[in-house]
Amino acid sequence: QVNLLQSGAALVKPGASVKLSCKASGYTFTDYYIHWVKQSHGKSLEWIGYINPNSGYTNYNEKFKSKATLTVDKSTNTAYMELSRLTSEDSATYYCTRLGPRDYWGQGVMVTVSS
Amino acid sequence: DIVMTQGALPNPVPSGESVSITCRSSKSLLYSDGKTYLNWYLQRPGQSPQLLIYWMSTRASGVSDRFSGSGSGTDFTLKISGVEAEDVGVYYCQQGLEFPLTFGSGTKLEIK
Repeated sequence: QVNLLQSGAALVKPGASVKLSCKASGYTFTDYYIHWVKQSHGKSLEWIGYINPNSGYTNYNEKFKSKATLTVDKSTNTAYMELSRLTSEDSATYYCTRLGPRDYWGQGVMVTVSS
Repeated sequence: DIVMTQGALPNPVPSGESVSITCRSSKSLLYSDGKTYLNWYLQRPGQSPQLLIYWMSTRASGVSDRFSGSGSGTDFTLKISGVEAEDVGVYYCQQGLEFPLTFGSGTKLEIK
C-alpha cells in the first residue's frame, strides 16, 4: 500500500535551516509528483510547490520561492524540503502529499521555530 | 492567485441532518476539457487531509455516497446527507485549475 512517511518534529532556532524528509513506498516513486503543503496552527492549507521525482523539475508558489527548496533522492525514494532563514512565521505543520484522484498524505511534521 | 472563499455552518449540527458547505472561486474553474477543477477535502481532528470530491462532483475512491458535490464555474456546494459522528472536522475546497494551488479557509463541522 502507498505510504508517505515523514521525518519527526523539529525544534529549530530563528535564522537556522531545517530539512524535512518524506519517504515514499508502495508505488513507483518516479511516476508521481510530490507536493508540499503548509498548515499553520489552526489555520488553512497553503501549497508550497511540487517536484517531479523523475526529472527533478520543481514548481514553487511564488510566496515560498525564497523559503523552500525541494529535492529528491531516487535511490531511497525520498523527497526533501529544506526551509531556510526560519522565523516564527515558519512554525507550522508541513505535509508531503501525492495529489490526484487517489491522494496520499504524509502524517505531517511539526516545525517549531524558537530560541 | 485564485481566491477560494468558504461559508460557515451553524454548528453544532444535529446528527442525521443534511448540510451544505459553500465555496466560491475568484475565477471560473471550468477548463476547456469540460472538467471543473474543484476539489473537496476533509481534515479530521489530528489527521492529514483526505480527498472527498474531485472535478467538482466525482467522489474519490472509498468515499461514502452521503457526500456529493455540485456547482457552476465559480460557485460550489458540498452536501453531506445525514451527518454522522465520523464527519466531524474541517472541510476545505481547493482549486486545481492553475498554480499556485489554493485552498479555502475551511468550514468546521461539529455534531450535536
